[in-house]
Amino acid sequence: AQSVTQPDARVTVSEGASLQLRCKYSYSGTPYLFWYVQYPRQGLQLLLKYYSGDPVVQGVNGFEAEFSKSNSSFHLRKASVHWSDSAVYFCALSRTGGYKVVFGSGTRLLVSP
Amino acid sequence: NAGVIQTPRHKVTGKGQEATLWCEPISGHSAVFWYRQTIVQGLEFLTYFRNQAPIDDSGMPKERFSAQMPNQSHSTLKIQSTQPQDSAVYLCASSLGVNSDYTFGSGTRLLVI
Repeated sequence: AQSVTQPDARVTVSEGASLQLRCKYSYSGTPYLFWYVQYPRQGLQLLLKYYSGDPVVQGVNGFEAEFSKSNSSFHLRKASVHWSDSAVYFCALSRTGGYKVVFGSGTRLLVSP
Repeated sequence: NAGVIQTPRHKVTGKGQEATLWCEPISGHSAVFWYRQTIVQGLEFLTYFRNQAPIDDSGMPKERFSAQMPNQSHSTLKIQSTQPQDSAVYLCASSLGVNSDYTFGSGTRLLVI
């Protein structure tokens, strides 16, 4: 069975600072990996996704993520955060050939002025 | 494309009453998913349909919850004899197919009083 762990429930960064949100996965095969963001009172929105190729994948609004097979990780990064990035971020995985996506518990990001 | 549409946005029911939540997936998407989100439990998978057929209902509380997809344009989640612990945001999502990302609706916020 596959699983996703987001070790940080909350992260606070100052506006303009860089950001890394951590994600570790467990899956014996090659995973399809996703990052979603949820703003207050909204559903989840896709930020980026990865399956193969360049381990660094670009997403919307300046976000990127790096896949590491050796570390079973898919960390999300942003060079300079804005107050509007405050939201909950979910890492997710689906197995090869699967329809169902498994979500991590989410990391709440607060960007302070 | 209006995205995934969930109605109603908010629903308040009395304990013991029935609640029916509606989801209209994106046209052409073959899979529909239901999740429940609470502060305590986070994002919980409930059930999903593929080409209108129920595939996996492993997350559904067996006694009072049921889901249907009578046609490709909508799915319903019905909760009988609602209890205060059913209070949550219920999210519907749809996807194109295998290993595809989800598009989420804005959710239905259910409050059982």
